[in-house]
Amino acid sequence: DADVTQTPRNRITKTGKRIMLECSQTKGHDRMYWYRQDPGLGLRLIYYSFDVKDINKGEISDGYSVSRQAQAKFSLSLESAIPNQTALYFCATSDQRDSQETQYFGPGTRLLVL
Amino acid sequence: AQSVTQLGSHVSVSEGALVLLRCNYSSSVPPYLFWYVQYPNQGLQLLLKYTSAATLVKGINGFEAEFKKSETSFHLTKPSAHMSDAAEYFCAVSGPGGYNKLIFGAGTRLAVHP
Repeated sequence: DADVTQTPRNRITKTGKRIMLECSQTKGHDRMYWYRQDPGLGLRLIYYSFDVKDINKGEISDGYSVSRQAQAKFSLSLESAIPNQTALYFCATSDQRDSQETQYFGPGTRLLVL
Repeated sequence: AQSVTQLGSHVSVSEGALVLLRCNYSSSVPPYLFWYVQYPNQGLQLLLKYTSAATLVKGINGFEAEFKKSETSFHLTKPSAHMSDAAEYFCAVSGPGGYNKLIFGAGTRLAVHP
């Protein structure tokens, strides 16, 4: 079984709809991240969380919100989806005990906003 | 501020030829540097990382990278390309001493032809 899972893997939605992307991990890591990937732009950080009570904005947080329901779960919400949020979304985790804090990625969620 | 530049969004090589993917970084602190690979329809997988222990870093699948501080570079190489190496490769940088936020390059798509 994968250590970092994301649901759904693919989602099509309409402009204005609220949607939630979910991430779960079995690695026991305390730190979790949400990124979006756009062609030619690499990955950009949306939000990150260093523990259940710690949530931080990343580079491109506008239009997104997150919830850290438990150490193993970190959800990303689009309150009112718009077409330019069409992208590939990745969740990642890292362990604060790893001094280099290597990040481990889920398989991604492909989102299309019509 | 940290940044990463990957020269060449697309690289094409013949099977058995040398693979060279270029990465230059900018960082005001001694960096940690990473190469990740993304196979089609999959998440990112760590290839290798530089964390100041050794300037020549060996990774999985025969890849290696050399940290050159004077050139602010961390180019990825493999002596002999295989068809299975076809993927997108991302260089990333982060700083030590606390919160780890990876800054990614735009990515280089490697094609391997017979």
